[in-house]
Amino acid sequence: EAQVTQNPRYLITVTGKKLTVTCSQNMNHEYMSWYRQDPGLGLRQIYYSMNVEVTDKGDVPEGYKVSRKEKRNFPLILESPSPNQTSLYFCASSPDYPPDTQYFGPGTRLTVL
Amino acid sequence: GEDVEQSLFLSVREGDSSVINCTYTDSSSTYLYWYKQEPGAGLQLLTYIFSNMDMKQDQRLTVLLNKKDKHLSLRIADTQTGDSAIYFCAEINTGGFKTIFGAGTRLFVKA
Repeated sequence: EAQVTQNPRYLITVTGKKLTVTCSQNMNHEYMSWYRQDPGLGLRQIYYSMNVEVTDKGDVPEGYKVSRKEKRNFPLILESPSPNQTSLYFCASSPDYPPDTQYFGPGTRLTVL
Repeated sequence: GEDVEQSLFLSVREGDSSVINCTYTDSSSTYLYWYKQEPGAGLQLLTYIFSNMDMKQDQRLTVLLNKKDKHLSLRIADTQTGDSAIYFCAEINTGGFKTIFGAGTRLFVKA
């Protein structure tokens, strides 16, 4: 089944403890992206990647890192999480650019205490 | 910078038409999208329109684009309770690879 998977789905952590949210797609898509969703703000793009080893900042990249060493994986790294990074995170992938569609993962709800 | 704005709530009766509106600021937008998010789920693409089009129809969905006013609308005909969800407008411009989303419109459908 074609899908985008994210792990973990839920995570509660403490300020400053490094964490990684994984994202994987099995559709051989070139374009992948991370978003955070906050009430009243919609989705804001954190980082995107147009292909292996090609990444760029979205609108809210501060406090996040990404890597794209393989086509299928696009992990989101929070080196030192802070409470303002408590949010719902979505990974998405698309076969082309501009994307005529993006396939979204199920979301990761992160709470930073 | 680029901005996409939507009203936050819309309530309609089952069987009526729903019209969800969106305005954007970036005149170089190439693709404009409508996504649907049901409770506890990710986003699902409903439809999209190229900036050189004025209208696109897909079954119960009609998208209208007014480039002069930078206004996009989504009309859902014969709205059903299963259409209750949050609807996001989004755009991509020619200058970059970024997708800009609106805050989402929560549609309530009353039986």
